[in-house]
Amino acid sequence: GAVVSQHPSRVICKSGTSVKIECRSLDFQATTMFWYRQFPKKSLMLMATSNEGSKATYEQGVEKDKFLINHASLTLSTLTVTSAHPEDSSFYICSAPIGTFEAFFGQGTRLTVV
Amino acid sequence: KNQVEQSPQSLIILEGKNCTLQCNYTVSPFSNLRWYKQDTGRGPVSLTIMTFSENTKSNGRYTATLDADTKQSSLHITASQLSDSASYICVVTSGGSYIPTFGRGTSLIVHP
Repeated sequence: GAVVSQHPSRVICKSGTSVKIECRSLDFQATTMFWYRQFPKKSLMLMATSNEGSKATYEQGVEKDKFLINHASLTLSTLTVTSAHPEDSSFYICSAPIGTFEAFFGQGTRLTVV
Repeated sequence: KNQVEQSPQSLIILEGKNCTLQCNYTVSPFSNLRWYKQDTGRGPVSLTIMTFSENTKSNGRYTATLDADTKQSSLHITASQLSDSASYICVVTSGGSYIPTFGRGTSLIVHP
């Protein structure tokens, strides 16, 4: 079945550095991908919608310059957390829809900024 | 405003017992409702998908029901196992949109 691969699964970085998270759709093309953030014991919060070949659409309150999204191909979207701070520590998940009814999620990335 | 409410927030049951999780939504127009299982530190995994015309759908020990009139869904887990311990998330998508509305999830703990 269709799979979405997210990498890395865990990353620890120093404050002020940037971290890139990759989300790949395997054996299917994804013109759209979603990026979510999840706090402990909370639901997924949509950050932005990534569109292949065009600019991402960010949800209200999400800083575009802080969370850079690039959807360079039909199988790859990246989220870069720039100048990371401890408050950016969280669980980030990507998702790619297939048709109208299904969406596959990546394995998630646990980001810890120290 | 589209909303998805889940109950209970958390649930503890003994291994082998059955349980039912609830999901109420106000998403309109309705397209589909999905139940996901999310293990701690992992991405959600799809359990069932239901469209407007479907009332029930099973996936092994998981059975989901949908009442589109009352905008309610339930997920019934039969003969629970320790591996069922996870968060169960109800997700509703409106017609014509890829962007889903997530419930806050029900945290299920199965004790031996």
